[in-house]
Amino acid sequence: SQQGEEDPQALSIQEGENATMNCSYKTSINNLQWYRQNSGRGLVHLILIRSNERVKHSGRLRVTLDTSKKSSSLLITASRAADTASYFCATRNTGGFKTIFGAGTRLFVKA
Amino acid sequence: DGGITQSPKYLFRKEGQNVTLSCEQNLNHDAMYWYRQDPGQGLRLIYYSQIVNDFQKGDIAEGYSVSREKKESFPLTVTSAQKNPTAFYLCASSDGGPNQPQHFGDGTRLSIL
Repeated sequence: SQQGEEDPQALSIQEGENATMNCSYKTSINNLQWYRQNSGRGLVHLILIRSNERVKHSGRLRVTLDTSKKSSSLLITASRAADTASYFCATRNTGGFKTIFGAGTRLFVKA
Repeated sequence: DGGITQSPKYLFRKEGQNVTLSCEQNLNHDAMYWYRQDPGQGLRLIYYSQIVNDFQKGDIAEGYSVSREKKESFPLTVTSAQKNPTAFYLCASSDGGPNQPQHFGDGTRLSIL
């Protein structure tokens, strides 16, 4: 069963602009993770935010988590053509072992 | 370098044939996972293993089988009972803790001949 739902499904921006992707989920979570997937490759972990955290940074990435709204956002600042990829949110439910992935946001950064 | 190796990168299956996808990790992780990814979609869990000699069905286990005889290896067999096997298969591992990320291989693309 799918837990995270990303929005938008696809996003096209110019190099240098910021990209924001959103994720909503339905149940109580232990943590929320963001992954990146280049075409035809495996997923690469970007950042993990725990349920008791609200904001987390990693380089040009900024993730927020609002557990009251069951939502998260991923902000990529000063985007580059190399950021072109699909981005997935994934949730680890409280007391569960499985990580559940959303359908992803396809980001296209034009040079 | 530590990582996860999946092979082959491309695989073709004939009618009625079982095929096995290989997944090896040298990260010393306890937990391993198999996911299926269809075009434009997220990942669906097929099987997972928290420890050697133990594994559990995921959300779409029908038509698949696995084994976990060694910590570093978690092969997936796509049996002839899986009527729609064409997909991208991803293997992952983690150290099993609730706040640990998963590390992925580069996948195997399976197609029907």
